[in-house]
Amino acid sequence: NFMLTQPHSVSESPGRTVVIPCTRSSGTIGSNYVQWYQQRPGSAPTILIYEDDIRSFGVPHRFTASIDRSSNSASLKISGLQTEDEADYYCQSHDGDSRWVFGGGTRLTVL
Amino acid sequence: QVQLVESGGGVVQPATSLKLSCATSGFTFSNYAMHWVRQAPGKGLEWVASVSYDGSREAYPDSVKGQFTISRDNSGNILYLQISNLRVEDTAMYYCARDSKVRWFGHYFDYWGQGTLVSVSS
Repeated sequence: NFMLTQPHSVSESPGRTVVIPCTRSSGTIGSNYVQWYQQRPGSAPTILIYEDDIRSFGVPHRFTASIDRSSNSASLKISGLQTEDEADYYCQSHDGDSRWVFGGGTRLTVL
Repeated sequence: QVQLVESGGGVVQPATSLKLSCATSGFTFSNYAMHWVRQAPGKGLEWVASVSYDGSREAYPDSVKGQFTISRDNSGNILYLQISNLRVEDTAMYYCARDSKVRWFGHYFDYWGQGTLVSVSS
């Protein structure tokens, strides 16, 4: 069973770029798709990125994601930060059978 | 549009049982696997149960196996989660979520409800 590790928090200024990493503990990052969810305060999560790098409908192009096999990690990059981007971001993957795994979540502060 | 509406949460005593419901609309419920995900106060997301589109297969993490039972009513478009022997650490918002894939388990959740809060306290 693998785990996904994210930093607890990141912060950056409006207009800048931030990258949130998600590291897989065992197995290969590329062997199962990685997704990213956004959860604004007081709201349910919503799908942001699926299948490693595909933006969900309506998600701005400022949000991009990728995987890096050399570091066994995925990452979410948000460019041109806006105050509305303040939220918790979760990476998630699947073990290929019937187990869904979430990262611990990263709180993004735009200050 | 796809709608998922959870209900059944509340304040309950330890060692009791509770059954959560998720009423769905806006899609062909019987075509999709469904899931429950919980979030303890101030904590992250934790997947806790899944059921295949036809109810023939269930999946749970080891942390809740034997305590949680997921089921579905395809004629009424409702998803359920039965939680037995509730513990303080089961206190959480419980979300139902639709699978991304038609007919079998996919790898992510494309629609989520707003959640129902379960608080276990004596």
